[in-house]
Amino acid sequence: GAVVSQHPSRVICKSGTSVKIECRSLDFQATTMFWYRQFPKKSLMLMATSNEGSKATYEQGVEKDKFLINHASLTLSTLTVTSAHPEDSSFYICSARDATGLGYEQYFGPGTRLTVT
Amino acid sequence: SQQGEEDPQALSIQEGENATMNCSYKTSINNLQWYRQNSGRGLVHLILIRSNEREKHSGRLRVTLDTSKKSSSLLITASRAADTASYFCATAFHNDYKLSFGAGTTVTVRA
Repeated sequence: GAVVSQHPSRVICKSGTSVKIECRSLDFQATTMFWYRQFPKKSLMLMATSNEGSKATYEQGVEKDKFLINHASLTLSTLTVTSAHPEDSSFYICSARDATGLGYEQYFGPGTRLTVT
Repeated sequence: SQQGEEDPQALSIQEGENATMNCSYKTSINNLQWYRQNSGRGLVHLILIRSNEREKHSGRLRVTLDTSKKSSSLLITASRAADTASYFCATAFHNDYKLSFGAGTTVTVRA
């Protein structure tokens, strides 16, 4: 149980284009999902908290107009990197909390490697 | 922002040996969690220890928490090659489900 998928696993795009990354909880409902960014050999940096049916909450320093988050259902959140630039190249990971659980554990997706050329 | 600091940054041990890594944090927490990440993959939840707990075990994993020192340790006993991964501690604050991750310890288990 508690499986989270991400799609795509890898994407290469050209500067100026937009890329959408999907995060799905496969066997549980998630009212809250989180989006992280990870640079090589570094830790995870929380970008935003995605709440089902409401606006995402962004961490300080994260541009909400650049990283658009939509949490349209209890099992799907999407992150769209708009007008991507090479500095947006990174490993993006989502996680989800089980809505029915009382625990603080997060279940992570396998990540999406974004390369902007 | 990240509040966890981990040490060592990297650890190389022989199969069968124990691996110990430490995590320190700065502010009061509700719980502390340890995660494992294999290269280029997502994170796997290993164990959660609450602020009112001092020690917890799960299989070959032993976690301690010292809230007075704001530190935690993760011990992996009888390590295996499959334990090769990066290990991260993450703290959760009261009434907040966000996690703040430490810098991670990269463990290499040599066969």
